[in-house]
Amino acid sequence: GESVGLHLPTLSVQEGDNSIINCAYSNSASDYFIWYKQESGKGPQFIIDIRSNMDKRQGQRVTVLLNKTVKHLSLQIAATQPGDSAVYFCAEKGAGAGSYQLTFGKGTKLSVIP
Amino acid sequence: NAGVTQTPKFRILKIGQSMTLQCAQDMNHNYMYWYRQDPGMGLKLIYYSVGAGITDKGEVPNGYNVSRSTTEDFPLRLELAAPSQTSVYFCASSYSGPRSSYNSPLHFGNGTRLTVT
Repeated sequence: GESVGLHLPTLSVQEGDNSIINCAYSNSASDYFIWYKQESGKGPQFIIDIRSNMDKRQGQRVTVLLNKTVKHLSLQIAATQPGDSAVYFCAEKGAGAGSYQLTFGKGTKLSVIP
Repeated sequence: NAGVTQTPKFRILKIGQSMTLQCAQDMNHNYMYWYRQDPGMGLKLIYYSVGAGITDKGEVPNGYNVSRSTTEDFPLRLELAAPSQTSVYFCASSYSGPRSSYNSPLHFGNGTRLTVT
């Protein structure tokens, strides 16, 4: 079946450096992608989304890049702060019939070293 | 707005007991969802609803039931609790559904941590 996966389960970054979290997806028909941040004991929090007709989208300190050729999604966090420490999930939604749900990856744990 | 509110935060059940996980949202969202999250895993969809009176199964519906009598509330029922249902349960809502041409992100509650022993 289709799946969303992550290249690295854990990532440690020095405070102030940039972080890059990667995600591979296998459903070439997916048309919408979302990044979520989940802190310990809390629900996933929306960070940024991107549609398949775009290859880049920027938010506040975050950028999502979509490479449909290799089915790869990445989240870049600029000037990483201790408050960015969390688990980050990517999720995809397929297009067309049967695309009634988001498929979530397993998550990458980001640890920021002060 | 409180967003998505889930109760209780924690619960321990014995095998065979039943319970209802409550979920309410005050954002006037039509779509609501129930997910479960097992350790080290992504979220899996249990049930979803596109509006009051309409519900449908997700990826892992067995052992659960839902109802949607109002736009605001979407309770999840476990009738005969089993150890395999030990998990963290998240309720979410969104402005529009996943099939619409307008995609919108899901807003999640803070979860109910359920242990079945």
